[in-house]
Amino acid sequence: DAGVIQSPRHEVTEMGQEVTLRCKPISGHNSLFWYRQTMMRGLELLIYFNNNVPIDDSGMPEDRFSAKMPNASFSTLKIQPSEPRDSAVYFCASRLSGGAGETQYFGPGTRLLVL
Amino acid sequence: AQSVTQLDSQVPVFEEAPVELRCNYSSSVSVYLFWYVQYPNQGLQLLLKYLSGSTLVKGINGFEAEFNKSQTSFHLRKPSVHISDTAEYFCAVSSNNNDMRFGAGTRLTVKP
Repeated sequence: DAGVIQSPRHEVTEMGQEVTLRCKPISGHNSLFWYRQTMMRGLELLIYFNNNVPIDDSGMPEDRFSAKMPNASFSTLKIQPSEPRDSAVYFCASRLSGGAGETQYFGPGTRLLVL
Repeated sequence: AQSVTQLDSQVPVFEEAPVELRCNYSSSVSVYLFWYVQYPNQGLQLLLKYLSGSTLVKGINGFEAEFNKSQTSFHLRKPSVHISDTAEYFCAVSSNNNDMRFGAGTRLTVKP
């Protein structure tokens, strides 16, 4: 079992550039979550999908952020244009769709630095 | 909406000593409670979770937690810690509206 796969693991970019983060959930999992972790705000839920459909995107900071899940095995989180305050570690997690009591499995994260 | 408070941001402890990491939650509905551990430069990994039934939950690496509904707490304990337990620990709560909330984390540092 490969677990949740995220790429890239590290990204350094300049302010104003577009950034795309990628996630491959565990095969058979129906729910996918994107989180952002910073020292100031801790771990924040940005958006989650159930069966490829966005269910709650209330955590997405602003219109510069967008997320897609075109199929059950792939999701992207895009920031356009990026800003220094977007620097953080972004985690993807997946879960069986059994409900809120199911365990979320986290990927290793993408460490983003916007200069 | 539910929320989680981890009362200690940092807990230093000597090797082989017992440790308790505190977690309190608030919610108007029935909840599920989780403890996750995050080692440096890694994602979060489940330690244990409470869904229902016995209030004492045993997890991996010798950790356990007790659900106390009257005190709305879910404290994590280990009777004897190892250097390798040094990590960040997160308490989390979710309910049937699927909205999982994480606490701010407690950094456990085990010293030799």
